Amino acid sequence: EAQVTQNPRYLITVTGKKLTVTCSQNMNHEYMSWYRQDPGLGLRQIYYSMNVEVTDKGDVPEGYKVSRKEKRNFPLILESPSPNQTSLYFCASSPLPGSYNSPLHFGNGTRLTVT
Amino acid sequence: AQTVTQSQPEMSVQEAETVTLSCTYDTSESNYYLFWYKQPPSRQMILVIRQEAYKQQNATENRFSVNFQKAAKSFSLKISDSQLGDTAMYFCAFNSGYALNFGKGTSLLVTP
Repeated sequence: EAQVTQNPRYLITVTGKKLTVTCSQNMNHEYMSWYRQDPGLGLRQIYYSMNVEVTDKGDVPEGYKVSRKEKRNFPLILESPSPNQTSLYFCASSPLPGSYNSPLHFGNGTRLTVT
Repeated sequence: AQTVTQSQPEMSVQEAETVTLSCTYDTSESNYYLFWYKQPPSRQMILVIRQEAYKQQNATENRFSVNFQKAAKSFSLKISDSQLGDTAMYFCAFNSGYALNFGKGTSLLVTP
C-alpha cells in the first residue's frame, strides 16, 4: 500500500531533550516536506526536500533540522525542543511539487508535547 | 508573498443540505494549482478536490464541486447533500512551486 509513515504518533518530552520524528514513504517520491499545524494558524511548512541531499527552509524553520540521506526517508530533528514547538506535525510527499497530478500525500501526523 | 484566506472559521449545516466554504488567495503567478483538503477528527489529511488555474471548467468530485473565479482569486468549495461524515476541518491550499500554502481552515459541523 502506498503510504507515508510517521513515527511516533504521540510524543511527550521535556524542554531541551533532543528528539527525532521519522518519516518514510514507499512511493519513490522526489519531494518531501514537513508541516506543523497549530489551531488558528493552519499548516505551515517547516522544511522541504527536492531530492536526496537537497533540502531547503520553509516558512518556520527555526529550531528544526532535517536530513535526506535516502530518497524514502526525511526525518525531522529537534535538537533542543521548547514548549512553543508543541504542535501537530505532518510529513508529506509527492512526485513533483506544483503539479496538478501530484498532490501531497500526508502521513498520519505526530502530536508532540514539550513540557 | 502568496497567501490563502479562509474567512469562515466555523460553519454548520444540516444533513442533506448544501454548504459553501469560501477561500481567496493572492498570487502574481499565472499558472498554479488549488486544492481542498479535509481533516476529520482522525486528523488524516484527505484530498477532496483540485483545480488547475488555466482550466476554465470548475472541478467536480461526486458531491463536492468548486467555484473557481480566477480574476477574483476565489476558490470556494460546495458540498451538496451534506452527510454526517463530512464533519471535519477543511483547508484550502495553493501550490505554485515548492510549497503548498494553506489557509487557516474552516471547521464544518454537519448536524442531523
